[in-house]
Amino acid sequence: GAVVSQHPSWVICKSGTSVKIECRSLDFQATTMFWYRQFPKQSLMLMATSNEGSKATYEQGVEKDKFLINHASLTLSTLTVTSAHPEDSSFYICSARDFQGSTDTQYFGPGTRLTVL
Amino acid sequence: KNEVEQSPQNLTAQEGEFITINCSYSVGISALHWLQQHPGGGIVSLFMLSSGKKKHGRLIATINIQEKHSSLHITASHPRDSAVYICAVRPNTDKLIFGTGTRLQVFP
Repeated sequence: GAVVSQHPSWVICKSGTSVKIECRSLDFQATTMFWYRQFPKQSLMLMATSNEGSKATYEQGVEKDKFLINHASLTLSTLTVTSAHPEDSSFYICSARDFQGSTDTQYFGPGTRLTVL
Repeated sequence: KNEVEQSPQNLTAQEGEFITINCSYSVGISALHWLQQHPGGGIVSLFMLSSGKKKHGRLIATINIQEKHSSLHITASHPRDSAVYICAVRPNTDKLIFGTGTRLQVFP
């Protein structure tokens, strides 16, 4: 079946550095990609929605200058956490929607665990 | 009140038991997802339903659109089924609304 990959699966960085997370749809073209954040024992929180070739739509309370999203192609979206701080430590999950013709399915990536020291 | 409610929040079972997890929602939807999240975090999409019933191996998912209710059943449960099961609905927008999850532990 369709697969969404994320890279890296985990990352540890120092406070003040920037971290880029990649999300790829491996055997389909994703019309829309979503970025979620999950804190321990909580549900997924939508951060932003991105469509290929256009600017991402951020949810209320999510800083677009802090969390830069680039959706350069139908198979790749990136999330860059700029000037990361310990409070940005979280589990980041991307999801890709395959919405073509009669198909409308959403697939989830395995997630990236970010730890900011 | 959350738009998507799951029950129970926590569930323990002995290996081999039949398990049911419920999901009720209060909005009109175009689809409902059942997701599985293992410790360590990775999410697996189990089912996407817009009507009726789907089966995959020991997993069965049903949905009743009129009653705004879905169930996930696991037959002959196994310790490897231990995970958090999440119900998510898609209203007539792009965004999924997630339930808070059901934590399942299956003991040998």
